[in-house]
Amino acid sequence: GAGVSQSPSNKVTEKGKDVELRCDPISGHTALYWYRQSLGQGLEFLIYFQGNSAPDKSGLPSDRFSAERTGGSVSTLTIQRTQQEDSAVYLCASSSGRTIYNEQFFGPGTRLTVL
Amino acid sequence: AQKVTQAQTEISVVEKEDVTLDCVYETRDTTYYLFWYKQPPSGELVFLIRRNSFDEQNEISGRYSWNFQKSTSSFNFTITASQVVDSAVYFCALSEPDSGAGSYQLTFGKGTKLSVIP
Repeated sequence: GAGVSQSPSNKVTEKGKDVELRCDPISGHTALYWYRQSLGQGLEFLIYFQGNSAPDKSGLPSDRFSAERTGGSVSTLTIQRTQQEDSAVYLCASSSGRTIYNEQFFGPGTRLTVL
Repeated sequence: AQKVTQAQTEISVVEKEDVTLDCVYETRDTTYYLFWYKQPPSGELVFLIRRNSFDEQNEISGRYSWNFQKSTSSFNFTITASQVVDSAVYFCALSEPDSGAGSYQLTFGKGTKLSVIP
């Protein structure tokens, strides 16, 4: 596709369940980012991939959060034992290179609701 | 202290009015980039502009203009003759070279919600 896609668009889960969120970056983009947008915290960085490696995981809020990227393309963000405070919109972004000036292109997000 | 401050939480203007959205940032780096993104009600963040720390020239793109002043660490965004379609949340963001393992992650302000009333 032409842009970053994410699935599902909405996810409702019960507290304690695991969830997987998927991101398909723009083809050829080597850098991939996950951000979280919540009412109280605004937009927060979670993790960064360059290719399949994640050199910066500094934004992951707890060890319940993990992510992987395969084939230098699709990425999956996994949240284990979800808590109500995990409710947020999870945004994925990709950029064409590892430079400070490359703009990041964002996907539509996955709205996660933990009941 | 916040690295990117957007003091205006919400602004309402009447269509055709001009409006300026403020952004103040904080960094120790001499090389950095500033960005503005628009988030319409549909939710997807749309890139508007990028400005590097060495270029203080103001930029105009149609009804949009940006004023970057290093002396005051500000990167303000003005919409001239606002339209209803401009209604959105606007985010200012900072990218720094030492943001962590060379990630150049974006540090966002809290956003300013702009409502343009017809």
